[in-house]
Amino acid sequence: GAVVSQHPSRVICKSGTSVKIECRSLDFQATTMFWYRQFPKQSLMLMATSNEGSKATYEQGVEKDKFLINHASLTLSTLTVTSAHPEDSSFYICSARPGLAGGRVSTDTQYFGPGTRLTVL
Amino acid sequence: AQTVTQSQPEMSVQEAETVTLSCTYDTSESNYYLFWYKQPPSRQMILVIRQEAYKQQNATENRFSVNFQKAAKSFSLKISDSQLGDTAMYFCAFTLFNTGNQFYFGTGTSLTVIP
Repeated sequence: GAVVSQHPSRVICKSGTSVKIECRSLDFQATTMFWYRQFPKQSLMLMATSNEGSKATYEQGVEKDKFLINHASLTLSTLTVTSAHPEDSSFYICSARPGLAGGRVSTDTQYFGPGTRLTVL
Repeated sequence: AQTVTQSQPEMSVQEAETVTLSCTYDTSESNYYLFWYKQPPSRQMILVIRQEAYKQQNATENRFSVNFQKAAKSFSLKISDSQLGDTAMYFCAFTLFNTGNQFYFGTGTSLTVIP
């Protein structure tokens, strides 16, 4: 249990284009999903928290107009990097928090997707 | 403010030996959960072990166990019988009880298991 998928796993795009990354909880409903950015050999940096059906809460310093987050259902959240630039190149990871406990799934735990490597040329 | 400190940026251990990764944290709250996550070269974050702060008994998952010292705010991870597949970055994290589940992560310890 507690599988989270992320698509695409790798994307290369031209500067100025927009890129959408999907995060899905496959075997549980996610009350809350989180988006992180990770630079090489560093820890995870929280970008935003999203709850199903409501606007995302962004961390200080994260541009909400540049990183659009939509949590349209209990199993899907999307991150759209708008007008991407080379400095947006990074590894983006999503995680999901279950709304209900069950089996080996705990509501206090975040389960992570495999990440998306974004390269902006 | 909530903080997590991992003071060992890199460690190595001989295959089949035991290694302990340290983690300290700071919070004024009394109800929280603690975690160790593993991030292998694939970069998939994998939950290794979880501990509720209100439980005195240390959590154990197969070869992984923790030494949780609440008064000292210490949460170390012991890996027994180290295997090559344990080579990864290890992150300590905690979250406060019933606060939306924001995680506070340490800076990570890069563990290399030497054959």
